[in-house]
Amino acid sequence: DADVTQTPRNRITKTGKRIMLECSQTKGHDRMYWYRQDPGLGLRLIYYSFDVKDINKGEISDGYSVSRQAQAKFSLSLESAIPNQTALYFCATSAPDRGQTYEQYFGPGTRLTVT
Amino acid sequence: AQRVTQPEKLLSVFKGAPVELKCNYSYSGSPELFWYVQYSRQRLQLLLRHISRESIKGFTADLNKGETSFHLKKPFAQEEDSAMYYCALNRVKAAGNKLTFGGGTRVLVKP
Repeated sequence: DADVTQTPRNRITKTGKRIMLECSQTKGHDRMYWYRQDPGLGLRLIYYSFDVKDINKGEISDGYSVSRQAQAKFSLSLESAIPNQTALYFCATSAPDRGQTYEQYFGPGTRLTVT
Repeated sequence: AQRVTQPEKLLSVFKGAPVELKCNYSYSGSPELFWYVQYSRQRLQLLLRHISRESIKGFTADLNKGETSFHLKKPFAQEEDSAMYYCALNRVKAAGNKLTFGGGTRVLVKP
């Protein structure tokens, strides 16, 4: 079954550590996204990629970087984690727009705690 | 810049009662509006989109451009409707499919 997977599902790390969250998809979609979810704030876009060579900043990209290793893989890195990056992180994918906006398919989320 | 507001953080209703989740947006262009839902221990998933004008699981939502709203309604709530609901906006003809989400409304349907 085509799917979006995220690893790890839970992670506790310390301030200043580098951490990578990984996302893989078997949907064959070109577009991939990283969001963070905070209570009361909904989901906010961190980075997005429309293909392997196209990576763009979202609304809250400071403190984060990404890598699109292949069409199916999109990783999010926190170079030096800080406590206010504690959140639930979601990866999502979508097919390219062709006259209409296609739905985004979300991964199960990674719960990150920075102490 | 576009913005999506969901004024209610929590809605608690009894089974069989109507439920309405409010969503207001600000965007000067032509928007596409969506409702996404996250059931307990499940992934966020699309519930419905305004261009489809369809009813999903008994829910409907009408885009009101005059009031810049896209409220989600169901006439008779069921316990299985308990979930987190997010309203989202996509800017039509903008660069790609980038959604702006509201803060979410948690719906609790009591037996």
